[in-house]
Amino acid sequence: DIQMTQSPSSLSASVGDRVTITCQASQDISNYLNWYQQKPGKAPKLLIYDASNLETGVPSRFSGSGSGTDFTFTISSLQPEDIATYYCQQYDNLPVVTFGPGTKVDIK
Amino acid sequence: QVQLVESGGGVVQPGRSLRLSCAASGFTFSSYGMHWVRQAPGKGLEWVAVIWYDGSNKYYADSVKGRFTISRDNSKNTLYLQMNSLRAEDTAVYYCARDRREVGVVAATLDYWGQGTLVTVSS
Repeated sequence: DIQMTQSPSSLSASVGDRVTITCQASQDISNYLNWYQQKPGKAPKLLIYDASNLETGVPSRFSGSGSGTDFTFTISSLQPEDIATYYCQQYDNLPVVTFGPGTKVDIK
Repeated sequence: QVQLVESGGGVVQPGRSLRLSCAASGFTFSSYGMHWVRQAPGKGLEWVAVIWYDGSNKYYADSVKGRFTISRDNSKNTLYLQMNSLRAEDTAVYYCARDRREVGVVAATLDYWGQGTLVTVSS
């Protein structure tokens, strides 16, 4: 089974800061990786698909990069409404999918 | 607009059964694969099951294989999850989610999610 790790598990940053989250797969998954945002008490929301493609309607301050085993999710300028937990998700071994453990983002 | 509304959650004793439903609207339900994903209280997301757009293929997480059954009724635009032999560790919010790809093999990219329904397994 493919295992996913994320770091950090949580972070606090100031409004306007650049925030970076990393996701690592236990084996090569090409670009078969998505990123989701989950605000407290809400359902997850797709932000980035295929490692680097921005979902329609998602603000451009969100971006993703990487391939193989190492991936990065970036918020270029943190906004108060970005407080959430962010999950990576691999889909290399379709149709089974695996989510990372999540990264909780707070405002400092 | 795309809408997914789960129902059927509640409190159930260990070993009993429960069936969840997910009513879909705002898109051609019969053209999309559908997933169930769950989240235990205070924990992360766990994928549970997927069903092809036409019901021809179904796959499950190892943790629920043999106990849960995913199905769909395209005439009613509804997705189901039959959960048998429930355990305390099945306690979670259960979300239904649409697969991004229209027809064919699922993309396993979940582009729309319902609000979730809470299942509590407790004696």
